[in-house]
Amino acid sequence: DVKVTQSSRYLVKRTGEKVFLECVQDMDHENMFWYRQDPGLGLRLIYFSYDVKMKEKGDIPEGYSVSREKKERFSLILESASTNQTSMYLCASSPPSHRVPQYYGYTFGSGTRLTVV
Amino acid sequence: ILNVEQSPQSLHVQEGDSTNFTCSFPSSNFYALHWYRWETAKSPEALFVMTLNGDEKKKGRISATLNTKEGYSYLYIKGSQPEDSATYLCGVGSNYQLIWGAGTKLIIKP
Repeated sequence: DVKVTQSSRYLVKRTGEKVFLECVQDMDHENMFWYRQDPGLGLRLIYFSYDVKMKEKGDIPEGYSVSREKKERFSLILESASTNQTSMYLCASSPPSHRVPQYYGYTFGSGTRLTVV
Repeated sequence: ILNVEQSPQSLHVQEGDSTNFTCSFPSSNFYALHWYRWETAKSPEALFVMTLNGDEKKKGRISATLNTKEGYSYLYIKGSQPEDSATYLCGVGSNYQLIWGAGTKLIIKP
């Protein structure tokens, strides 16, 4: 059964902490994505990567960075957590159609609910 | 910026009834439309990926249609069951990423 695994289901961090959210996929997918989901809003893209060591900013990259050192792992980093980063974070991957990843269905992780206090 | 609207925001349906909901999007620069089902405490699960005007897809009791000229897609559920309770997400691709609607939350009443 193919999988996208996110390291934590729930996470509570303090303001100012550096936070790492890990995502691992076992499908050999090139494309990986980080989204956040807030009530009443659609999923918003933070960053995506279409190859190892490649990264592209999404719609809301401020306050975040990413790392893709290996194909199967895509990490989201909150450099200095703030309360407005309290959210549900979803990781996804998809097979390559190079720069048009949306021709294939995405496989999602089950999400990390992050609370920053 | 592409704006994807889903309606209604939430929906209560009696078990056994059929239902449908809508995803609307600007019709220009369209690449693909995705439907996902997201059950509480689980991962969003892909239902359909649709790319051509007039596409119709079916998976069991769930089906979807696509009209790219007028910018909408319908998702139909026939004979709703309790396991259909979920949030249904629509994502529309128009370049290198999907833009998502806020979802339709479906609650099936026994």
